Amino acid sequence: AQSVTQLGSHVSVSEGALVLLRCNYSSSVPPYLFWYVQYPNQGLQLLLKYTSAATLVKGINGFEAEFKKSETSFHLTKPSAHMSDAAEYFCAVNNQGGKLIFGQGTELSVKP
Amino acid sequence: GAGVSQSPSNKVTEKGKDVELRCDPISGHTALYWYRQRLGQGLEFLIYFQGNSAPDKSGLPSDRFSAERTGESVSTLTIQRTQQEDSAVYLCASSLSGVGGQPQHFGDGTRLSIL
Repeated sequence: AQSVTQLGSHVSVSEGALVLLRCNYSSSVPPYLFWYVQYPNQGLQLLLKYTSAATLVKGINGFEAEFKKSETSFHLTKPSAHMSDAAEYFCAVNNQGGKLIFGQGTELSVKP
Repeated sequence: GAGVSQSPSNKVTEKGKDVELRCDPISGHTALYWYRQRLGQGLEFLIYFQGNSAPDKSGLPSDRFSAERTGESVSTLTIQRTQQEDSAVYLCASSLSGVGGQPQHFGDGTRLSIL
């Protein structure tokens, strides 16, 4: 069975600081991994996806994530946080199509 | 617009009433998904349609929940005899196909409140 664990339901950083949101997955087959962002009262927007082409994936808004098979991780990073990055972030896994399995989400706060 | 469209955006109803939620996927997308997001929680899968195949209903929480899809277009999620625990945001997503790795594109959701 597949599962996703996001460590830290709330993360707070200062503007300009590094953003690190953690995601670990469990999958019996090579996974496809996604990061989505959700702003208040909106749906989910795709930030980036891993589909085995490259382990370091670059996404929108300056975010990137690195797939590490040995650690079963897919952590999301951004070198310098902006106030506009404050939102809920979801990691998700999907292997052979069909439904996404989501983590519980991490709320990112950015302090001025 | 070119995105996934959901209606209504908000729905308030009394316990015991039936509700219908609508989803218009992106044109040309053969796969359509419904998820539920309870307050402060992640997304729970409800049901998945792929072309003319039988839908994957494995996530529906009870027989009060059902969904239909007309061809490769509009889908309707119906909740009968609503209960307070049905209060949540219901999100619809579509993807070009159901193949693994295809990104899912989400609508803004329907916020359902059961009084």
